Amino acid sequence: DAGVIQSPRHEVTEMGQEVTLRCKPISGHDYLFWYRQTMMRGLELLIYFNNNVPIDDSGMPEDRFSAKMPNASFSTLKIQPSEPRDSAVYFCASSSRLDGPYEQYFGPGTRLTVT
Amino acid sequence: AQSVTQLDSQVPVFEEAPVELRCNYSSSVSVYLFWYVQYPNQGLQLLLKYLSGSTLVKGINGFEAEFNKSQTSFHLRKPSVHISDTAEYFCAVSVGNFNKFYFGSGTKLNVKP
Repeated sequence: DAGVIQSPRHEVTEMGQEVTLRCKPISGHDYLFWYRQTMMRGLELLIYFNNNVPIDDSGMPEDRFSAKMPNASFSTLKIQPSEPRDSAVYFCASSSRLDGPYEQYFGPGTRLTVT
Repeated sequence: AQSVTQLDSQVPVFEEAPVELRCNYSSSVSVYLFWYVQYPNQGLQLLLKYLSGSTLVKGINGFEAEFNKSQTSFHLRKPSVHISDTAEYFCAVSVGNFNKFYFGSGTKLNVKP
């Protein structure tokens, strides 16, 4: 398996622009997680899905952030409008109850820089 | 709320020396415990996990960890480190529905020649 795939690997954008991060989980996995990693706050869970349904979005910082999972093989994390404080590395991870229990496989991350 | 504390933000050590990275957690219920490693510019990779049974868990790359319920600790050890072990190490806990992970702040291991 190719593992969790994220795109783009690097994104540089200007404040106020819309940013879309993409994730393809491991085939057959039924859980998908979005994390944000910064020096100040470490690794934070933003949201996670089970069978394409958002289960817990309590970590989403504010309304500028939204995440979708239209099907089992694709998810997006959107920031609109972006701000410099959104600069971070965003990770996607997936897991499966069948592989149990609950080991999460991480993608390589997207490094976002908002200027 | 659950919390995971990694007491050392950085640990410098010479090659072939032993190392211990400390992790403590707060939870009054059963937990699953994990150690992940992150190499520069990469995602996190699972080193080892404690689910149940033997409190001494062996993982990849010669690492092991011991679950101590009374001390609520899950320290990571390696008897002899290599330059290639230089990375950041994260301790994580999952409780309750076991899908939500709580990560520590990370410990940067710097192995010197």
